[in-house]
Amino acid sequence: EAEVAQSPRYKITEKSQAVAFWCDPISGHATLYWYRQILGQGPELLVQFQDESVVDDSQLPKDRFSAERLKGVDSTLKIQPAELGDSAMYLCASSLRGKNNEQFFGPGTRLTVL
Amino acid sequence: AQSVTQLGSHVSVSEGALVLLRCNYSSSVPPYLFWYVQYPNQGLQLLLKYTTGATLVKGINGFEAEFKKSETSFHLTKPSAHMSDAAEYFCAVTQGGKLIFGQGTELSVKP
Repeated sequence: EAEVAQSPRYKITEKSQAVAFWCDPISGHATLYWYRQILGQGPELLVQFQDESVVDDSQLPKDRFSAERLKGVDSTLKIQPAELGDSAMYLCASSLRGKNNEQFFGPGTRLTVL
Repeated sequence: AQSVTQLGSHVSVSEGALVLLRCNYSSSVPPYLFWYVQYPNQGLQLLLKYTTGATLVKGINGFEAEFKKSETSFHLTKPSAHMSDAAEYFCAVTQGGKLIFGQGTELSVKP
């Protein structure tokens, strides 16, 4: 069964360091989403890609966060510099074009900033 | 703007008892509604969704939910809880093509 892959699964870093997360969506899924889930809360959309283009990054803290999907397949989310408040689960999801209501989620990357 | 409220951050039931997780939404247009389950340190898995048509929606693992427009509710139920149902459950609504999640309800199942 096709799945969304994410790595690493866990990341511990010190504040002011740079971190990067990787996501490989289900093959053929044109739309890719990055969510942040703070402990005890629901996921919040950070950025949405359609192929290689950003269609929504209104909640992305652009002073320290960046995301790219250069070839319209896999994607990287970067934080530089990391802050204590960035500790969270970062979830990647993907969907077929036009099927935003059918998102498939990866296992997530648990980030701890010390 | 659409929003979702889940009543009760933690629900505890005995094995074999009825599970009821509450979700109310606010939406100015007919909503698409979802329930997801999340096991510890894992991603979200879709349990069921309501888009159009029948208001009683059946999902995986014996769960179902009923869309009640008059009450703006989409409560999740299961007749008999299993130990394996212990997890976090999220209700969500779509807004402009993106998912808006509730705060989540942690379900505990006692033997």
